[in-house]
Amino acid sequence: GAVVSQHPSWVICKSGTSVKIECRSLDFQATTMFWYRQFPKQSLMLMATSNEGSKATYEQGVEKDKFLINHASLTLSTLTVTSAHPEDSSFYICSAKNPRSGANEQFFGPGTRLTVL
Amino acid sequence: QKEVEQNSGPLSVPEGAIASLNCTYSDRGSQSFFWYRQYSGKSPELIMFIYSNGDKEDGRFTAQLNKASQYVSLLIRDSQPSDSATYLCAVNTPGNQFYFGTGTSLTVIP
Repeated sequence: GAVVSQHPSWVICKSGTSVKIECRSLDFQATTMFWYRQFPKQSLMLMATSNEGSKATYEQGVEKDKFLINHASLTLSTLTVTSAHPEDSSFYICSAKNPRSGANEQFFGPGTRLTVL
Repeated sequence: QKEVEQNSGPLSVPEGAIASLNCTYSDRGSQSFFWYRQYSGKSPELIMFIYSNGDKEDGRFTAQLNKASQYVSLLIRDSQPSDSATYLCAVNTPGNQFYFGTGTSLTVIP
């Protein structure tokens, strides 16, 4: 398997502030990481694909200026929610593919629960 | 048509029974298929993957793949209350896109 960590695990912030979430692959190098958002009782929604050393690829309807993604190294991708509003409150989950895994599966971080007041 | 479809349930089975979860996909060229389990408030965890037609068994779990019918299923034998969760089917397409179904909620009744 592979281990992916996220930090923080939960965060509460005031409306209008920015929040940074970190996603790290602990025991492998991930050239590609993914960011998902999940609202209560709904499925995972892919927000963007984060590629090391290049710009992220955003899914349709996701504002790239609001959700800033930086994949500066092979083990770290960050998601910054800029000017957060209550409707951004959600469970944010990152995942990574281990390039050494032949099955191409994604390994998920534990998630970050964001609450915007 | 969605890339991956699952019956959202909820599915309820008594403890000790077999739970059967189903998934269909639209891209006939898809190569890899995955089953994840997600407990409430937690992130998904991989149960197993399959990429060849037929059955693949891992403990109490059996994944079944039928590429001709574009169908993949997960059987859970001797279901336990701890198996109560949402089960997500995921498919890796030839374009290397990874699509998740909406998940099936399973409740195992003691």
